[in-house]
Amino acid sequence: SQQGEEDPQALSIQEGENATMNCSYKTSINNLQWYRQNSGRGLVHLILIRSNEREKHSGRLRVTLDTSKKSSSLLITASRAADTASYFCALSQNEKLTFGTGTRLTIIP
Amino acid sequence: DARVTQTPRHKVTEMGQEVTMRCQPILGHNTVFWYRQTMMQGLELLAYFRNRAPLDDSGMPKDRFSAEMPDATLATLKIQPSEPRDSAVYFCASGLTRTVNTGELFFGEGSRLTVL
Repeated sequence: SQQGEEDPQALSIQEGENATMNCSYKTSINNLQWYRQNSGRGLVHLILIRSNEREKHSGRLRVTLDTSKKSSSLLITASRAADTASYFCALSQNEKLTFGTGTRLTIIP
Repeated sequence: DARVTQTPRHKVTEMGQEVTMRCQPILGHNTVFWYRQTMMQGLELLAYFRNRAPLDDSGMPKDRFSAEMPDATLATLKIQPSEPRDSAVYFCASGLTRTVNTGELFFGEGSRLTVL
């Protein structure tokens, strides 16, 4: 499958804690992206990491990429109730972008 | 405030009817993607276009689905005839890609289709 697979499928944490989501894939990629989807809404781009990068930061987000293990992780630090959403990794391969299965994150106030 | 616009937002129809979903990509974007989201299958890539040319529509059931870009400001996804299993949320997304490296995509709010 060209899709990524996120792990865990669901995650519940207390507000203020860090949340870590993982994405594994099977084929080579041009880049890997993370998106967020609030309930009933479209997806919103969070961050893009290129295949030759290992780590990237954006605000409270930290993304890592290990192409040898074909895996990526998304870390959200100091979580807030507003971070409650589904998070998807997306693989860029030969001009197409395919999405993983998603992690449903719930932040408990 | 540039955004991808999808219509209709909600559509309820009966099995066998034709359904057309429309998407207005962000002005200047040269790639358009159609995705279908269901609880069981997640986000499935149906088709995508670059500079209005279809690059890949292998994700679509060819016998009933068709995707076109009549011009740079309009993308359409048509289902004829519709079936209950087509019930899903259909998303359009656009982006600006100059190489094979697909960049950030901007998503519409989706068209929720229910086929009875």
